[in-house]
Amino acid sequence: DTAVSQTPKYLVTQMGNDKSIKCEQNLGHDTMYWYKQDSKKFLKIMFSYNNKELIINETVPNRFSPKSPDKAHLNLHINSLELGDSAVYFCASSFQGASSYEQYFGPGTRLTVT
Amino acid sequence: QQQVKQSPQSLIVQKGGISIINCAYENTAFDYFPWYQQFPGKGPALLIAIRPDVSEKKEGRFTISFNKSAKQFSLHIMDSQPGDSATYFCAASIRAAGNKLTFGGGTRVLVKP
Repeated sequence: DTAVSQTPKYLVTQMGNDKSIKCEQNLGHDTMYWYKQDSKKFLKIMFSYNNKELIINETVPNRFSPKSPDKAHLNLHINSLELGDSAVYFCASSFQGASSYEQYFGPGTRLTVT
Repeated sequence: QQQVKQSPQSLIVQKGGISIINCAYENTAFDYFPWYQQFPGKGPALLIAIRPDVSEKKEGRFTISFNKSAKQFSLHIMDSQPGDSATYFCAASIRAAGNKLTFGGGTRVLVKP
C-alpha cells in the first residue's frame, strides 16, 4: 500500500501545453506539499495546503496552480508549459501542529517539456 | 541566498567505513532538522530527524549530531554498506510556519565493496 502516490510517473509534452499531476495520500495527514527537484537535484518547496487551505505559496509562476479537493488529494496544474518547467515534481504530506512533523514523499513525476 | 549549506557534494567510502555529511544553516528560527535518503528514480525517504533541544540522535547505523551554537548538524553513517549508496539531503524547517522544508544541495555517497 503506497502511502503517497502520484500520477503520472512520467509526463512528456510540448511547450505551450497544459498538464496536471495528481497526488493522493492515505496516511490521514492534514497537510500536503509540492516540491520541485531540478536537473542538479536541488529540492525546493512550491506550495503547501493544510486542510484544503493554501498556506505556503513560494515564488512560483502563476502558470502553476495547485488544487486540493480534500485533505487526501493535492493536484498541480501547469499552464503554457515552458522548457524550464522540466523537472521532477514531488508531492509530500505530514501532520501540522502535532508532535510529529515528518514529511513523507511520493515517488515523483518526471516532467519533460520538449 | 542558500539557507542550508551541505558538504561534501560527493563522498566515496569503503564498505565498513564511516560516512560523514555536514550541514550548516543560517536561520536560527529553524526548529526541525530531518535527513532524507534518495535512490535514483525514487522519492526522498525520511531517514532520521532531530530537534534543536537534543545534541545527538541515533537510529541503527545512522546518527545525527547537532550543534546549536555553531548552527551545524551532521549525519554519520556507521559501518557503511553498498546498499547505502544514494544521495543524502539535509533539511530544516520552522514547524509553526507551515513546516516547509529548506533543503541542502545533497551529497552523493558511493560505498565501495
